[in-house]
Amino acid sequence: SYVLTQPPSVSVAPGETARVTCGGDNIGSKSVNWYQQKPGQAPVLVIYYDSDRPSGIPERFSGSNSGNTATLTISRVEAEDEADYYCQVWDNSRDRSVFGTGTKVTVL
Amino acid sequence: EVQLLESGGGLVQPGWSLRLSCAASGFTFSSYTMNWVRQAPGKGLEWVSTISGSGGTTYYADSVKGRFTISRDNSKNTLSLQLNSLRVEDAAVYYCAKGATGKAFDYWGQGMLVTVSS
Repeated sequence: SYVLTQPPSVSVAPGETARVTCGGDNIGSKSVNWYQQKPGQAPVLVIYYDSDRPSGIPERFSGSNSGNTATLTISRVEAEDEADYYCQVWDNSRDRSVFGTGTKVTVL
Repeated sequence: EVQLLESGGGLVQPGWSLRLSCAASGFTFSSYTMNWVRQAPGKGLEWVSTISGSGGTTYYADSVKGRFTISRDNSKNTLSLQLNSLRVEDAAVYYCAKGATGKAFDYWGQGMLVTVSS
């Protein structure tokens, strides 16, 4: 089955840049979506189609995807960005959706 | 405003059944795929099932195939998930989520807790 691997945790100081990676076999050929989840809340879509932002999501959130790695970049990190982040793709070969293992972003 | 409101969760014993519902509003329900995603306590997100806008096509995770059934009633703007032969490992918060471009999930319900314990 298709596996998406994320680092368990990323720490970043306020105002700096956080990068969360999502590794998968030839993930560059797939459309990657990213979700932010804060404790006790439902996930929120922050990036779709690799790099598009839904309305209401700050421009500080951006995404890229190439080769075997997709990346969520959070620029000028703020305290409110502290959350768990998950990548997600649709595995066309098996007609199923797959979530990454999740990354906890901590703002120091 | 898009709203998704789940109902039907609760405490059941292993082997029992449960039916979850998700009432949708604020968008043309029949035009979008709908999904169920779950999250076990302290764990990550796990996709469970997807249904096409017409209801004619369904997809399931291997972990629930043959035990869970997704369905929808477009006349009532309602999504359902029938959970049969429940196992301890099915215990989780279950979210319904609206499908979007790129097979993303752009709106989520508040989640419904299912506890499976003897």
